[in-house]
Amino acid sequence: LAKTTQPISMDSYEGQEVNITCSHNNIATNDYITWYQQFPSQGPRFIIQGYKTKVTNEVASLFIPADRKSSTLSLPRVSLSDTAVYYCLVGRPSSGSARQLTFGSGTQLTVLP
Amino acid sequence: SAVISQKPSRDICQRGTSLTIQCQVDSQVTMMFWYRQQPGQSLTLIATANQGSEATYESGFVIDKFPISRPNLTFSTLTVSNMSPEDSSIYLCSVLGVQETQYFGPGTRLLVL
Repeated sequence: LAKTTQPISMDSYEGQEVNITCSHNNIATNDYITWYQQFPSQGPRFIIQGYKTKVTNEVASLFIPADRKSSTLSLPRVSLSDTAVYYCLVGRPSSGSARQLTFGSGTQLTVLP
Repeated sequence: SAVISQKPSRDICQRGTSLTIQCQVDSQVTMMFWYRQQPGQSLTLIATANQGSEATYESGFVIDKFPISRPNLTFSTLTVSNMSPEDSSIYLCSVLGVQETQYFGPGTRLLVL
């Protein structure tokens, strides 16, 4: 069973805020929530990571409710260059378990002019 | 963050031949992984490359088909053996950084004719 569920695709316009939600009902106590961005012909790139509440960095914010069964990646004022696939990954990769390294289907974000 | 390079970046191979993909990291890392990403799909973990011991393969992947070496903490190779068109894919290596974050190489795009 897939550990995470995300929308397959989303469209937005330049300058808008985009929120992508990931559901992870079976999250374990020690699991981290990590989001990656992937452009065509490139490897995934780390965006942001959190454990609980809210995390913000220079490119995004991550909102995690108290039950941690979902998380929302927020991209402020998107531009055309934010068009990419976004993956959320839940787990602790250091455990070496395949379960911790299972990427979901990802969300194709298309930013329109 | 770790800087990862892969060689070759792309290749076109004939059916029945083998290709070895190299992954070089600019710092010593404990955990290295190999993924496959088929066109338009998400990432699938092939194996964890273990330094000094045999790789740990995931379900559906076997050592005879995808032998992996990891002679030290900065380098690993993945060989795709006896290739068929179904092996056409992007192959990515990743390493585990701090705080359960993965850093990915640029990928090797393989086309088997």
